[in-house]
Amino acid sequence: EAGVAQSPRYKIIEKRQSVAFWCNPISGHATLYWYQQILGQGPKLLIQFQNNGVVDDSQLPKDRFSAERLKGVDSTLKIQPAKLEDSAVYLCASSPRTSGYNEQFFGPGTRLTVL
Amino acid sequence: AQRVTQPEKLLSVFKGAPVELKCNYSYSGSPELFWYVQYSRQRLQLLLRHISRESIKGFTADLNKGETSFHLKKPFAQEEDSAMYYCALSALQYSSASKIIFGSGTRLSIRP
Repeated sequence: EAGVAQSPRYKIIEKRQSVAFWCNPISGHATLYWYQQILGQGPKLLIQFQNNGVVDDSQLPKDRFSAERLKGVDSTLKIQPAKLEDSAVYLCASSPRTSGYNEQFFGPGTRLTVL
Repeated sequence: AQRVTQPEKLLSVFKGAPVELKCNYSYSGSPELFWYVQYSRQRLQLLLRHISRESIKGFTADLNKGETSFHLKKPFAQEEDSAMYYCALSALQYSSASKIIFGSGTRLSIRP
């Protein structure tokens, strides 16, 4: 089966600009996650969707970050306006179930550099 | 608070030597723990989970609830084991799929 797809793979912007990332999960996977991975750190969950509803966005900086998952499939993560500290790899992951533990499958990530 | 600690940022061992990557956790409930691995230029992927009690690529990990540890071990390191390893804890959410809390990672470098 095809894996989780993300685009773009790399993005360089200046601070105060806006940027959007796209994620296409594995077909049929109900749960979708966005993570932020800053250099030297492990991935940190930003937001978790179950179908097209938000399950957990407690660590999403809502003053500048937003995410949506229309129709319960693809998802976009937006940063507006970007700050220097947003430089990181943004990972998307999906999993098939909607309860309990289930393996998460990760995309290749989008590396964002904010100048 | 839920937390995963990996004390070593880098671990370098010779090929054929034993490997132990340390992981400690903090969690008030009954934990589910995992090791994820990221090889160079590849995606983050699941290596093993404690509930499976399996050995993957020669690696094993035992959950020690008394010491709140989940160290990853391999008796004889191979060059292809060089990668970034993340210990992770699954925090169950009763009404939805679990979320994962990752440690900061340990880079394992195997010297020939």
